[in-house]
Amino acid sequence: EPEVTQTPSHQVTQMGQEVILRCVPISNHLYFYWYRQILGQKVEFLVSFYNNEISEKSEIFDDQFSVERPDGSNFTLKIRSTKLEDSAMYFCASRKGDSRWEQYFGPGTRLTVT
Amino acid sequence: DAKTTQPTSMDCAEGRAANLPCNHSTISGNEYVYWYRQIHSQGPQYIIHGLKNNETNEMASLIITEDRKSSTLILPHATLRDTAVYYCIVWSGGSNYKLTFGKGTLLTVNP
Repeated sequence: EPEVTQTPSHQVTQMGQEVILRCVPISNHLYFYWYRQILGQKVEFLVSFYNNEISEKSEIFDDQFSVERPDGSNFTLKIRSTKLEDSAMYFCASRKGDSRWEQYFGPGTRLTVT
Repeated sequence: DAKTTQPTSMDCAEGRAANLPCNHSTISGNEYVYWYRQIHSQGPQYIIHGLKNNETNEMASLIITEDRKSSTLILPHATLRDTAVYYCIVWSGGSNYKLTFGKGTLLTVNP
């Protein structure tokens, strides 16, 4: 069964450094999402992406964040200058589209900012 | 999207049915009830969804009351691997289909 994959599984970085989290959505899906979950807290929406552009972003998704679909398979989340409070699990999700609304999530990348 | 209320936690014996309730008294006519679960530290997993009728798939059954103000997710034969946080999300598909997660119900399946 096709699944969303994410790399790396764990990323440790120093405050102020740039990180890129990578996702490979399910191949015939058209809608892509990033969510994050700070330890012990709710899963929070960050951004949705369709047709090579951002369709919606949350207040969390400020100028330090960007997303890109550089080729036909990868979907990336870049944090330009990481802060301690960016430490969280980051989940990528994809959705097929048409009348299918369910989203399929990847296993997540644990980002630790020191 | 309508607000949902779920118990914070529930226990279930392995092999028994797990019935997870969700109240959504302000649900509107075009809003669906979706269930996801999150096994510890993993990504949320889609389980099932419904509008008015009861639904069943290979993972679970969803019972929606006639007035649609509440629903119950049923795992017919719970296993230890079903221990997870279960999220009930009421959603019309608007807002670019983003999901808004609450705190959910921590279901613990005991041997």
